Amino acid sequence: NAGVTQTPKFQVLKTGQSMTLQCAQDMNHNSMYWYRQDPGMGLRLIYYSASEGTTDKGEVPNGYNVSRLNKREFSLRLESAAPSQTSVYFCASTIAGTFNEQFFGPGTRLTVL
Amino acid sequence: AQSVTQLDSHVSVSEGTPVLLRCNYSSSYSPSLFWYVQHPNKGLQLLLKYTSAATLVKGINGFEAEFKKSETSFHLTKPSAHMSDAAEYFCVVSDSGNTPLVFGKGTRLSVIA
Repeated sequence: NAGVTQTPKFQVLKTGQSMTLQCAQDMNHNSMYWYRQDPGMGLRLIYYSASEGTTDKGEVPNGYNVSRLNKREFSLRLESAAPSQTSVYFCASTIAGTFNEQFFGPGTRLTVL
Repeated sequence: AQSVTQLDSHVSVSEGTPVLLRCNYSSSYSPSLFWYVQHPNKGLQLLLKYTSAATLVKGINGFEAEFKKSETSFHLTKPSAHMSDAAEYFCVVSDSGNTPLVFGKGTRLSVIA
């Protein structure tokens, strides 16, 4: 099992450009999450999908959109990137009912110039 | 509302000496509590979790944590630090199986030879 995979690993954008971060899991998990990690801030939840077909906003959703494409895949889209979105993005997944133990991907390091 | 406070942003210990990383939480319910570790440029890995069973929880790599409801604390300890323990540690709380996790801001552990 590959676990949780994310693409790309690194990305540099110019202000105003758009991009989609991809996440996939092969553990048959119901719930998937997108976080951003900034120095001294811990991880902050952007969006999550409790189950296929549903998505909900987290703590910092502004400037992002998500798509739960199927049970395996959960993508994060930046429509018009801003320097404030420079961060490391992590995707995670969990089986519902396991007290929310989450499994994390390796992260995408995004720089917006 | 749930929240978590990691009392130290940085802890430095000598190799072979005990480790103590402090975490206090706030929760309206009987919470689930976790410690995750992040090594440089890596994703997050679960160290241990508390889910209302035994109050002393043992995790991987010799770490353990004690849930103290009266003190609303969940401190992480290890009897003897190893160089490979140098990493960022996150204390995490969840009110229930259906609410997203809330992360502390992290504690960076340095281990000196």
